[in-house]
Amino acid sequence: GQSLEQPSEVTAVEGAIVQINCTYQTSGFYGLSWYQQHDGGAPTFLSYNALDGLEETGRFSSFLSRSDSYGYLLLQELQMKDSASYFCAVKGSGNTPLVFGKGTRLSVIA
Amino acid sequence: IAGITQAPTSQILAAGRRMTLRCTQDMRHNAMYWYRQDLGLGLRLIHYSNTAGTTGKGEVPDGYSVSRANTDDFPLTLASAVPSQTSVYFCASSDSIGYTFGSGTRLTVV
Repeated sequence: GQSLEQPSEVTAVEGAIVQINCTYQTSGFYGLSWYQQHDGGAPTFLSYNALDGLEETGRFSSFLSRSDSYGYLLLQELQMKDSASYFCAVKGSGNTPLVFGKGTRLSVIA
Repeated sequence: IAGITQAPTSQILAAGRRMTLRCTQDMRHNAMYWYRQDLGLGLRLIHYSNTAGTTGKGEVPDGYSVSRANTDDFPLTLASAVPSQTSVYFCASSDSIGYTFGSGTRLTVV
């Protein structure tokens, strides 16, 4: 089976940097994804890491260490609109569906 | 606009009634998924389909059934609704890496 652990809540100040960690246990590993969900909305795809290292997309970056079964999402220059829930998700193989973590609720404060 | 359409947006359903949640995509994605989202539990996979004509069970399939007669449609049926099926249901599709989610159906079983 697969399981993921991420913090339930994180609070950060507008303009700051925040890191949301995710550790996973899986029988197979194909990649780690991150999704953002605003209250009342649908999850939206942010990033995907299949290999070790850092992937950068604008203010958001995602990191993966396969040997440590660990990844994180880094949000820079935080804005109030970044307040949302963030989910890490793991794919065990090419044809298996994503398994999601329980999500981290990020609150950005002034 | 390309994407996923779910219907209805919300529904209150009497326990014991049969209900079909509709999901249609226009992106010609092969894979489709049904997740339920409950507070504190994240997104849990109900059923999935890697291609038209095939389906598979997810983490919480009991009480639900699906069919995939064609590429575009992936309905989810509750044969006899129970209060524990009160949840927000998201349909999603994927071509490779990222999932595209519908806007969800909020179902209340009373």
